[in-house]
Amino acid sequence: AQKVTQAQTEISVVEKEDVTLDCVYETRDTTYYLFWYKQPPSGELVFLIRRNSFDEQNEISGRYSWNFQKSTSSFNFTITASQVVDSAVYFCALSDYAGGTSYGKLTFGQGTILTVHP
Amino acid sequence: DADVTQTPRNRITKTGKRIMLECSQTKGHDRMYWYRQDPGLGLRLIYYSFDVKDINKGEISDGYSVSRQAQAKFSLSLESAIPNQTALYFCATSDPVHSGANVLTFGAGSRLTVL
Repeated sequence: AQKVTQAQTEISVVEKEDVTLDCVYETRDTTYYLFWYKQPPSGELVFLIRRNSFDEQNEISGRYSWNFQKSTSSFNFTITASQVVDSAVYFCALSDYAGGTSYGKLTFGQGTILTVHP
Repeated sequence: DADVTQTPRNRITKTGKRIMLECSQTKGHDRMYWYRQDPGLGLRLIYYSFDVKDINKGEISDGYSVSRQAQAKFSLSLESAIPNQTALYFCATSDPVHSGANVLTFGAGSRLTVL
């Protein structure tokens, strides 16, 4: 069975601080995908990134960066120079390959509530 | 209009009442899902559908049923609502055929309160 653990329930930082959200996953699949979603106070779920199991390159998008390490089964998310608008719940998720008849169901972590204070 | 529309957005009901949450999408996706969000538990899968002839139970399907009326419509029903079904419900769609990566597009959510 697949499992995603986000050990940090809540994180509170002051604006301009860097913050890292941890995500650890478990799967027996050799092909899988990892995701991060953001849920701002308005409640919608916003897709941020996906990464497949064969691509361990880190990715940077503006102030956001992701560190994928298969050796430790982790897919951590760092926000550099945090801003108040980054305040949200962040979810890490895992799925198997969704091609053909495989469903590719997403398993979500518990979520991390990030609060950025001015 | 939103790609994935959920109605109602908010609903308060009483224990024992039948409730239907509706979801419609304009993305033309075959795959649709219902998730439930509870604080500290993340999102948990209730039901999912591959196409109109395919309905599958997720990890927490007890007390729920679904209907896939058309490719674009996927409804979630609570036959006899109970207070621990108070939660935020999300419908989602996906089309992983070309990439194998199941990126979900979510609706705005339906907040259900059972008194």
